[in-house]
Amino acid sequence: GQQLNQSPQSMFIQEGEDVSMNCTSSSIFNTWLWYKQEPGEGPVLLIALYKAGELTSNGRLTAQFGITRKDSFLNISASIPSDVGIYFCAGRHPSNTGKLIFGQGTTLQVKP
Amino acid sequence: DVKVTQSSRYLVKRTGEKVFLECVQDMDHENMFWYRQDPGLGLRLIYFSYDVKMKEKGDIPEGYSVSREKKERFSLILESASTNQTSMYLCAAGGGVPDTQYFGPGTRLTVL
Repeated sequence: GQQLNQSPQSMFIQEGEDVSMNCTSSSIFNTWLWYKQEPGEGPVLLIALYKAGELTSNGRLTAQFGITRKDSFLNISASIPSDVGIYFCAGRHPSNTGKLIFGQGTTLQVKP
Repeated sequence: DVKVTQSSRYLVKRTGEKVFLECVQDMDHENMFWYRQDPGLGLRLIYFSYDVKMKEKGDIPEGYSVSREKKERFSLILESASTNQTSMYLCAAGGGVPDTQYFGPGTRLTVL
């Protein structure tokens, strides 16, 4: 079946540092999404990408839809303590309507 | 934004009990989903529904059933709970903005 490989699995960084995480697939996707989940809560949508090469920002967050349609990355600039959480990528394969495949998540910890 | 609510944040049940997890969305979205979340495995789709009285199996439907009698409500049923169903259960709704899903806060279920 379709799978997404998300890396790194976890990150422990200093406040103010930039963060980069990515998601790859062996097959193409039509949509890439990035979610953030804080402890004890459900995931919250951060950014949605719909076209190959698309680059979209949401505040200090920037995400790109890879040209090959098989990958996506998320960057966080100048991290702050409230960036702590689990970041999930999700993608929709062309054969699926409405269904998403999720990566395993990247756990981010920020040291003040 | 869609608001998704789940009936319980924490639930403790015994092996063999029948368990109902309720999910309600306050927008008119067609699609609703049930996931379970386990450490290192990301979100795995149990069942989903594109319309009232309609349901489709996701990737891990064994041991679960669902009910969608009204558009705004999607219930997950564990017919006979087992300890390996101890997990975080997340409900999501979507169908407005293409491919986006909005999550509830989750129900952490413990089966003893």
